[in-house]
Amino acid sequence: DVKVTQSSRYLVKRTGEKVFLECVQDMDHENMFWYRQDPGLGLRLIYFSYDVKMKEKGDIPEGYSVSREKKERFSLILESASTNQTSMYLCASSLLDSGTGTEKLFFGSGTQLSVL
Amino acid sequence: DQQVKQNSPSLSVQEGRISILNCDYTNSMFDYFLWYKKYPAEGPTFLISISSIKDKNEDGRFTVFLNKSAKHLSLHIVPSQPGDSAVYFCAASDGNQFYFGTGTSLTVIP
Repeated sequence: DVKVTQSSRYLVKRTGEKVFLECVQDMDHENMFWYRQDPGLGLRLIYFSYDVKMKEKGDIPEGYSVSREKKERFSLILESASTNQTSMYLCASSLLDSGTGTEKLFFGSGTQLSVL
Repeated sequence: DQQVKQNSPSLSVQEGRISILNCDYTNSMFDYFLWYKKYPAEGPTFLISISSIKDKNEDGRFTVFLNKSAKHLSLHIVPSQPGDSAVYFCAASDGNQFYFGTGTSLTVIP
């Protein structure tokens, strides 16, 4: 079974703090993603990475950065946390099935971040 | 601009009956569609998928139907069970990214 592990289930931080959200996957997947989930807005893509040291902006990258120094680890960084970044953050990894040409995401359990 | 839409935020169904969850999309470049199920305080888990070359895919109690001309897909759950109560997300892929709908909260009443 694919395992995507997010280091914290719940985090409470103060406005202006630098926040690190860590994600590790154990299936040697090439692709990793960070989403945030908000009521009524679904899952929105923040950043993704197709390889080590490679990153691409998603739909809502403002206020965030990422780091992928090793294949299995993808970190999301909030440089200066703000109250509008209070959200559920979901990490995912994926692998392209070369036989079918399809790909599916495997998600971690999520981190509920509250910024006060 | 929401490219994948789930217009029903919630749905309630009696146990044993059929649940039908709907999803509409706007981008004709989407060629692969997925449904995910999410329980509170957990990450979404993959449920079922369909390629654009098909119009139906079944897996046990779950069937996904795709109508490309209408840019519409639906998930049928038959028979519905209380353990199916969760939020269901529709997703679409253009080969580069996944785009998610806003989710439908399904409640199956015993």
